Order: sequence, then C-alpha cells, then structure tokens
Amino acid sequence: SQTIHQWPATLVQPVGSPLSLECTVEGTSNPNLYWYRQAAGRGLQLLFYSVGIGQISSEVPQNLSASRPQDRQFILSSKKLLLSDSGFYLCACSWGEGTEAFFGQGTRLTVV
Amino acid sequence: SQELEQSPQSLIVQEGKNLTINCTSSKTLYGLYWYKQKYGEGLIFLMMLQKGGEEKSHEKITAKLDEKKQQSSLHITASQPSHAGIYLCGADVGSNYQLIWGAGTKLIIKP
Repeated sequence: SQTIHQWPATLVQPVGSPLSLECTVEGTSNPNLYWYRQAAGRGLQLLFYSVGIGQISSEVPQNLSASRPQDRQFILSSKKLLLSDSGFYLCACSWGEGTEAFFGQGTRLTVV
Repeated sequence: SQELEQSPQSLIVQEGKNLTINCTSSKTLYGLYWYKQKYGEGLIFLMMLQKGGEEKSHEKITAKLDEKKQQSSLHITASQPSHAGIYLCGADVGSNYQLIWGAGTKLIIKP
C-alpha cells in the first residue's frame, strides 16, 4: 500500500520568517509528487510538481520554492513568508499518468 | 469562469435523502476523479472515471461520466451523517501530470 506523510499539521509563523514543509512517501519508488494550496471555495491550486529527483516544475510564480532531495521526499520552502502565504497546503503523489493521486493530511499555515 | 465547474457549492440534505453533485468541464475529460475531504484534512480518493458512459459505485455513492466526456455526476443514495464533508472533482484534460480542480461542494447532512 502507498502512504504519504506530511507535517506539521498546523503552523503559525511570523511574517518574514522561513518555511519548510516536508512530505515523504512510502511504497513504490519514483512517484510523481505535488504541492497544492487549497483556498476556500476555489478548489486546489497546483504549486509545484516533480517527476523525479531534482526535477521541479513551478506552476505559479510566488514566494515559495520546492525541492526533491530524495526520491520520496518533497519539501516546500520559503525564505521569507508573506501574509498572503497563509492557507492549507497539501502534498500529493501518484504513479504514472491517468492514475489517482494520494494526498497527505495537509498543513494549515497561518502567517501572522 | 473556472475550467471545471462544480455544483452546487453547498448542499444541506436531510438524512436518508438522495443527492447529486455535478462537475462540468469546458474541455474533454481524459479522466475524472472524485475525492472527499473532511475539514482541515487531506483528500480521500473515491473513484476515477475514464471512459465515456462509465459508471462506478462504492457503497452508496455512484459516479458517472457522460458519453461526451465533459461532465460527471456523483450521486449519494440514502445519505448518512458519515457522508458529510467537502466533495472535490479533479479532471485530467490532457495537460501532463496536472489536474484541474472544481471549487468543491460542501455537503451537510441534517439528522
């Protein structure tokens, strides 16, 4: 079975502070990995996706960055958080095209 | 307007009643995914539809993909409190590795 771990579950950070959210995947190797942000009433916004180690595609220009240092590890980072970075962030994984994605439990980030 | 329109935005249903949620795309759907989310939690995969006319069921939840492959419906029969949550549809419209998403339907079940 496939399992995806995301942490922390909640985070309160001051404006200007750095951010690091981590996501790890158990199970089959070489997953596609995704970071989404969910806004109320607006569905999921794809932020980054990765099809392999060191390969990151960014969908939305922003204050965030992503890295994939290992096959099953995906990290979402920021050097300086903005108030507008507040939201619910979800990590997801899938294997191949046309297959369902599995989601982490999400991180609720509040920037104060 | 969004590429993937989901309706209704919210729904309050008496326990035991049936309900339907719709997901309509402006593009051809190569795959349509239904997920359920409890507030503040991750998404739980429900069903995936890929062929026009396809219909899948899981317990009391049935999802269909219409023949023209641009709309899907999720139908819940005899709703229960455990069905409450946010239902999201995601669609593969041919962009590699990317899905587009509906805005979600918040379902409340009244006892």
